[in-house]
Amino acid sequence: GQQLNQSPQSMFIQEGEDVSMNCTSSSIFNTWLWYKQDPGEGPVLLIALYKAGELTSNGRLTAQFGITRKDSFLNISASIPSDVGIYFCAGRENSGGSNYKLTFGKGTLLTVNP
Amino acid sequence: GAVVSQHPSWVICKSGTSVKIECRSLDFQATTMFWYRQFPKQSLMLMATSNEGSKATYEQGVEKDKFLINHASLTLSTLTVTSAHPEDSSFYICSAPPWGTSGRSPYEQYFGPGTRLTVT
Repeated sequence: GQQLNQSPQSMFIQEGEDVSMNCTSSSIFNTWLWYKQDPGEGPVLLIALYKAGELTSNGRLTAQFGITRKDSFLNISASIPSDVGIYFCAGRENSGGSNYKLTFGKGTLLTVNP
Repeated sequence: GAVVSQHPSWVICKSGTSVKIECRSLDFQATTMFWYRQFPKQSLMLMATSNEGSKATYEQGVEKDKFLINHASLTLSTLTVTSAHPEDSSFYICSAPPWGTSGRSPYEQYFGPGTRLTVT
């Protein structure tokens, strides 16, 4: 099935630094979602994007829906220790309004050193 | 709004036995729910789409007779792992689109906290 290329696989940063990660696909997506997963828990939705070019913020997080509709990025500003976790992008393909299935990227493991 | 729960949060069972995992939408109705499987340090793999009032739709390579799905009501879907074997040990997570929840799109998915299954 469709695969999303998410990068980087992992990041080790110092507290206070900004972080950027992105996802690309070979096909057009109608929806991009960004999730964070803590160990042993389910993913939590951070930001949802629905229009090409859309830029949306949620606190220190900002995500954008790429103009080509084949990519999205997530930025975290001024990272703090509780930002540690795995971040997943997920997308919904342009295959009709009744399609609710998501394709997930492989995740970015973020480690923040205090 | 859009809270999903799972039960149990973890379970240990013997090889050959069956295990049932419940997924509930607590504050919205879920005509559709999704079941995922996640191995350590890997992404989520969609197993099947659970549909209230009709049969589940399984992804390619997922055995429908091994992973039985029943969408009993608008707020409950169950996944039964039949004749479990050690290779079925994994983290199972369900999700649901928040139908009818004000301010939320049906194209979003809200996840339960997951169920850790260990088969000995």
